[in-house]
Amino acid sequence: ETGVTQTPRHLVMGMTNKKSLKCEQHLGHNAMYWYKQSAKKPLELMFVYSLEERVENNSVPSRFSPECPNSSHLFLHLHTLQPEDSALYLCASSFTRNYGEQFFGPGTRLTVL
Amino acid sequence: DQQVKQNSPSLSVQEGRISILNCDYTNSMFDYFLWYKKYPAEGPTFLISISSIKDKNEDGRFTVFLNKSAKHLSLHIVPSQPGDSAVYFCAASARGRETSGSRLTFGEGTQLTVNP
Repeated sequence: ETGVTQTPRHLVMGMTNKKSLKCEQHLGHNAMYWYKQSAKKPLELMFVYSLEERVENNSVPSRFSPECPNSSHLFLHLHTLQPEDSALYLCASSFTRNYGEQFFGPGTRLTVL
Repeated sequence: DQQVKQNSPSLSVQEGRISILNCDYTNSMFDYFLWYKKYPAEGPTFLISISSIKDKNEDGRFTVFLNKSAKHLSLHIVPSQPGDSAVYFCAASARGRETSGSRLTFGEGTQLTVNP
């Protein structure tokens, strides 16, 4: 595997389900990010982990819970989501330096019924 | 308050002609700008970047121009090819703590269609 991978690629869940999104990067980066992309909207930064420590949480509802066990893996735990949470969730990684390009995974298309 | 705006949701050009994608920003602290390209069912891929100390950066068919006084940047693709058809995102970054990773603020994207 190369680059940034995300699983699953598609997920349909009910509002009472609990699921997790997984991201793995093979680039030797030490910062990882979760973004949400809704239709016709810019990418919204949700969480940033740098050196395995969460350094930013952009007022995301608590029904989204990130976890970064090491510099290569990032999870987004989902519980009691709402239909408006349906979106494309993108993971990215970069080096911990200013102006580093972020490399994105293919995303997970989430549908909440 | 959207700090990075791409006012054209779509652009259509003929193969071989120039494509010009525009981006405006409001935050004067932004000092590094990037363009990403996104195909359907894939994540965005980095295309080209420019620092605020420059006004032009060129990489093959792609050139980015920065006008700091107007807070405007543009991406020129010449000649355009059908494979360039994708959504193009403009992103901006401001210097922060060295260890906190990069912070990118994205525009809404412009769908470019290059017709054969």
